[in-house]
Amino acid sequence: GENVEQHPSTLSVQEGDSAVIKCTYSDSASNYFPWYKQELGKGPQLIIDIRSNVGEKKDQRIAVTLNKTAKHFSLHITETQPEDSAVYFCAARARFLSGGSYIPTFGRGTSLIVHP
Amino acid sequence: DAGVTQSPTHLIKTRGQQVTLRCSPKSGHDTVSWYQQALGQGPQFIFQYYEEEERQRGNFPDRFSGHQFPNYSSELNVNALLLGDSALYLCASSFWPQGAPDTQYFGPGTRLTVL
Repeated sequence: GENVEQHPSTLSVQEGDSAVIKCTYSDSASNYFPWYKQELGKGPQLIIDIRSNVGEKKDQRIAVTLNKTAKHFSLHITETQPEDSAVYFCAARARFLSGGSYIPTFGRGTSLIVHP
Repeated sequence: DAGVTQSPTHLIKTRGQQVTLRCSPKSGHDTVSWYQQALGQGPQFIFQYYEEEERQRGNFPDRFSGHQFPNYSSELNVNALLLGDSALYLCASSFWPQGAPDTQYFGPGTRLTVL
């Protein structure tokens, strides 16, 4: 099955700095890579996603890059703000061998702390 | 447009008891997936329901079972609770994909504590 590794586990930055979170995956069949933000006491919220036919995607201060050859993808947050503080999860998704829907395998999460 | 809702928000049970958690999917969605998130971990896939049938299942014992109703809402049942079942249980809804990967939207979760 798919295995997703996420680094670092904790990231502390000053407000205004950039933050980068990196993930690697094992299943070359994975073709969809969402990123989720989870605030304390809440469920994960999708913030950006990328499909395997695209190398980079940007949405305001957030960008994601994908290197299919190396099987790694990264989340980039620029001009960080205190409200960006949360746990961020990467995920990789491939269709189950038996068909059906795509089930994501999640990384273990990165706790991002943005200091004012 | 209501998002994914779950009930209850918190639950405390003792070992050996049974629990039922509920989920209503986002409007327009017909597929419900359940996840278990232990403290400090990413969500782990339990199972997925579509057209009132379990379509896919993760590596969880038969103590975990579910149901989907005609209105697409879903229940997760856990029997013979163990201390290790203490976790945040997340429901995610999506639209059954027509080829391309579907986007899943998560609810706020139910925090289950087993004493």
